[in-house]
Amino acid sequence: KAGVTQTPRYLIKTRGQQVTLSCSPISGHRSVSWYQQTPGQGLQFLFEYFSETQRNKGNFPGRFSGRQFSNSRSEMNVSTLELGDSALYLCASSSLASGANVLTFGAGSRLTVL
Amino acid sequence: GQQLNQSPQSMFIQEGEDVSMNCTSSSIFNTWLWYKQDPGEGPVLLIALYKAGELTSNGRLTAQFGITRKDSFLNISASIPSDVGIYFCAGQSVEGTSYGKLTFGQGTILTVHP
Repeated sequence: KAGVTQTPRYLIKTRGQQVTLSCSPISGHRSVSWYQQTPGQGLQFLFEYFSETQRNKGNFPGRFSGRQFSNSRSEMNVSTLELGDSALYLCASSSLASGANVLTFGAGSRLTVL
Repeated sequence: GQQLNQSPQSMFIQEGEDVSMNCTSSSIFNTWLWYKQDPGEGPVLLIALYKAGELTSNGRLTAQFGITRKDSFLNISASIPSDVGIYFCAGQSVEGTSYGKLTFGQGTILTVHP
């Protein structure tokens, strides 16, 4: 069974640009959550999608947005990039059928903002 | 917001030694999870705890969900070199039907000397 796939794995952007990250959940998983990981702040919740609807949102500015498609794949977008947006962005999927809180994480997309 | 205090921040041990780390929270959680993260990878679930007082083992790993629901610990017995990595605790509190939001501890960096 394929795991959670995130693309791209690495990317470099400059301040002011925007970026879109993609996440393909485990087959059959309908919930996708996004996290930002930085050395200073650790792992912080961005948002969660279920059946194409945003179900929960963390404390991040409106520059951070996401969406989920009918096949459960998800994308997150960060607009007007700032240096502080440099981080590892992790996607996790879960299936209510397998235990509501068991999130399986992808390997992440490492974003560097110059 | 909710805060998780994880300790110790780092540990340097000899192969074969036992390890103990813990997390405390200012808020009650319904679920406690322990993850391990290797360099360049996303966190991998080690143990999930769903009930106050629950003690669960997974091989050399043992974790407990505190009776107050505000704390959890993880023990690793007879450590081996491949135990090296960063260990995170995570708590989940019920917010409607949202299961994808976890609050993470700051992590414990484990180094095992052969």
